Amino acid sequence: QSVLTQPSSVSGTPGQRVTITCSGTSPNIGSNTINWYQHVPGTAPKLLIYSTNQRPSGVPDRFSGSKSGTSASLAISGLQSEDEADYYCASWDGSLKGRVFGGGTKLTIL
Amino acid sequence: QVQLQQWGAGLLKSSETLSLTCAVYGGSFNSNFWIWIRQSPGRGLEWIGEINRRGGTNYNPSLKSRVTISVDAAKSQFSLKLGSVTAADTAVYFCASSVTFWADYWSQGSLVTVS
Repeated sequence: QSVLTQPSSVSGTPGQRVTITCSGTSPNIGSNTINWYQHVPGTAPKLLIYSTNQRPSGVPDRFSGSKSGTSASLAISGLQSEDEADYYCASWDGSLKGRVFGGGTKLTIL
Repeated sequence: QVQLQQWGAGLLKSSETLSLTCAVYGGSFNSNFWIWIRQSPGRGLEWIGEINRRGGTNYNPSLKSRVTISVDAAKSQFSLKLGSVTAADTAVYFCASSVTFWADYWSQGSLVTVS
């Protein structure tokens, strides 16, 4: 059971917009920033969003992050086939004194 | 471009010690944190622990009694040791570094199976 809760799967058609949620508590999302990672199995995970809503150089602006209270979201607009992957949120937990991940969300492009 | 490549035994027996090493290429060995993360079959990512540039370590409380992470800056490498493994430790293990942001570079991962 992961500390951060994500839906196990979401899906969308090319061009559509989808949102992946990450639910936590005060010691983690409520008090700290969030990173989002994209992982295609068999490859190295990729940092998509850092500091809740910032994109590293090279990440398209189709990807955006936000937070409200103890929940965070990753939005992907203009879905493309190459977006099919697993997506993970991560944060620091001040109560556990460690990093925590969400359970991951599998994005399927229909 | 920073690249991470890891190696170590892929098949262990219960009670043995898992040992993995991660080498950093393509840039100075200059990171805020060097990190180990794993993914058990069918499950999400789990943070194992990390070491900072001053040598300070922070481990997942659930693994703390069995984990050691160390750095060899001269070789641009860092390592993971996990003692007394069981089948529950079977997972794909990733190494990652925090050059600019936390865990901004990752390895492809390697499967470690405990029989």
